Amino acid sequence: QKEVEQDPGPLSVPEGAIVSLNCTYSNSAFQYFMWYRQYSRKGPELLMYTYSSGNKEDGRFTAQVDKSSKYISLFIRDSQPSDSATYLCAQGAQKLVFGQGTRLTINP
Amino acid sequence: DTGVSQNPRHKITKRGQNVTFRCDPISEHNRLYWYRQTLGQGPEFLTYFQNEAQLEKSRLLSDRFSAERPKGSFSTLEIQRTEQGDSAMYLCASSPPDGSGGGDTQYFGPGTRLTVL
Repeated sequence: QKEVEQDPGPLSVPEGAIVSLNCTYSNSAFQYFMWYRQYSRKGPELLMYTYSSGNKEDGRFTAQVDKSSKYISLFIRDSQPSDSATYLCAQGAQKLVFGQGTRLTINP
Repeated sequence: DTGVSQNPRHKITKRGQNVTFRCDPISEHNRLYWYRQTLGQGPEFLTYFQNEAQLEKSRLLSDRFSAERPKGSFSTLEIQRTEQGDSAMYLCASSPPDGSGGGDTQYFGPGTRLTVL
């Protein structure tokens, strides 16, 4: 079992939809969780990070951590075609463990 | 504000050759990381430095791989006797010192894409 599991998709939704991206993790030792966005052939771009449980909001993006179920979520409101990318969840400190990435397409 | 830079961006080499990649972190970031990413997968941790000290190495980092950060600024990753399985994107990231308010948030460079023929 991988330490961080993420459905690779692909996921395709219409513009304006609310997108929900999810990961599960198995190692409870690390309390930092991150979401990165990666465009094709580019490096990952940090979107959000959270510590421990709870929600964190930044514009159209909300990151959520549920420690009881070991579940990490990223919600994108009012999705735009420019949000089309691969979204990576990660856990850890120093040594980050990434999920496989979910490929998201927002259709105009 | 310049981000993490990596050179070269692309490298094509023949099997058995040695290659070296360079990473320049964000100024004043004392931690520097190397990851490898293959197609359709998330990045995998290789190694990291705090200042000039290499503090952790993944078992993925075979003895053909060596990384250095001699003055605590830029870093190099060398792969000796390259194999076709080394073909991947090599990503560098850096993070600010503890207490700067960013946790251990890592900022990635654009990567070096290696193709071994």
